[in-house]
Amino acid sequence: EAGVAQSPRYKIIEKRQSVAFWCNPISGHATLYWYQQILGQGPKLLIQFQNNGVVDDSQLPKDRFSAERLKGVDSTLKIQPAKLEDSAVYLCASSSPRGRGSYEQYFGPGTRLTVT
Amino acid sequence: GENVEQHPSTLSVQEGDSAVIKCTYSDSASNYFPWYKQELGKRPQLIIDIRSNVGEKKDQRIAVTLNKTAKHFSLHITETQPEDSAVYFCAARGSNYKLTFGKGTLLTVNP
Repeated sequence: EAGVAQSPRYKIIEKRQSVAFWCNPISGHATLYWYQQILGQGPKLLIQFQNNGVVDDSQLPKDRFSAERLKGVDSTLKIQPAKLEDSAVYLCASSSPRGRGSYEQYFGPGTRLTVT
Repeated sequence: GENVEQHPSTLSVQEGDSAVIKCTYSDSASNYFPWYKQELGKRPQLIIDIRSNVGEKKDQRIAVTLNKTAKHFSLHITETQPEDSAVYFCAARGSNYKLTFGKGTLLTVNP
């Protein structure tokens, strides 16, 4: 099966600019996650979708970050305006709620964001 | 919420030796504990996981043990090879169904 797709792979922007990331999960996976991974740290969950509804966004800085998953498939994560501390790799992951492997999350390649 | 501590932050071993990475968690309701391997510039990949109704799981050279009473779990890699060199992350799925990751262990296997 095809894996989780993300684009772009790299992005460099200046502070106060806006940026958007795109994720296409594995076909049939109802649950989609966005993580922020700062250099030298583990991934931190920003937001979790179940189909097109938000399950958890408690760690999403809502004053500048937004995410949507309109048709329950693709998702976009936006940052506006960006700050220097947003420099990180943004990982998208998906999982299926059914079956024995229902807990396993499959990660995409990530988008490396550099804010200058 | 869940808090996961991972040790050591770096680990260097000789090829053929064993490597052990340890994690502790805070939420006693956590029921799923995956381990991910992340090579430089690549995505995290699941290498092994364990659920709370099992104390140990093994897959070839990799094993994971879980002590629910003490709230800690460990990754064991035997007969290490240079291609095992990577950052390893533990994680715990807590009562809020979220995965919380440790800060990672940089494993270096010296030939």
